[in-house]
Amino acid sequence: EIVLTQSPATLSLSPGERATLSCRASQSVSNYLAWYQQKPGQAPRLLIYDASNRATGIPARFSGSGSGTDFTLTISSLEPEDFAVYYCLQRSNWPPLTFGGGTKVEIK
Amino acid sequence: EVQLLESGGGLVQPGGSLRLSCAASGFSFSTYAMSWVRQAPGKGLEWVSAISGSAGSTYYAGSVKGRFTISRDNSKNTLYLQMSSLRAEDMALYYCAKDRSAGVAATWDYWGQGTLVTVSS
Repeated sequence: EIVLTQSPATLSLSPGERATLSCRASQSVSNYLAWYQQKPGQAPRLLIYDASNRATGIPARFSGSGSGTDFTLTISSLEPEDFAVYYCLQRSNWPPLTFGGGTKVEIK
Repeated sequence: EVQLLESGGGLVQPGGSLRLSCAASGFSFSTYAMSWVRQAPGKGLEWVSAISGSAGSTYYAGSVKGRFTISRDNSKNTLYLQMSSLRAEDMALYYCAKDRSAGVAATWDYWGQGTLVTVSS
């Protein structure tokens, strides 16, 4: 089973700042990695798929990069609605599909 | 408008059974793979099971294999999860999610709001 490790667990930033979230896989997942955003009381929302492709309707301030074992989700300038928990997910070697433990982006 | 509406959650004793349903509308249901993803209270996301659009392929997480069965009725636009031998660790909010393709790609572009399963005596 591929383990995804997300860091940091919590990121404290102010609106307008740049956020850099990391996801590391225990073995190569090629580019088969997605990012999801979840706000309290809401279902997750797909942001990025296949490492760097923005999903429909996702603002350009969200970008994904990486391949193999190291991936990054970057939010170029945080908007108030971006404070949430972010999860990465791999679909390279499955079942099982596996999520990372999540990174909470909170207001500083 | 795509809508996914889960139902069937509730309180069940350890060892009991429950069937979850997810009624889909607003898209060609049989064209897309579907999955169940759960979230224990205050915890992260965990993939549970997936099924292809044609229902020809099904997949399970190791933690539920042999106890849960995913199925779909494309004539009724409904996804199901039959859960048996329920354990305390199965207690969670269960989401159904629509994939972007007929095959399972884990790129879920629409999600329901979830149905809560509580396992307790």
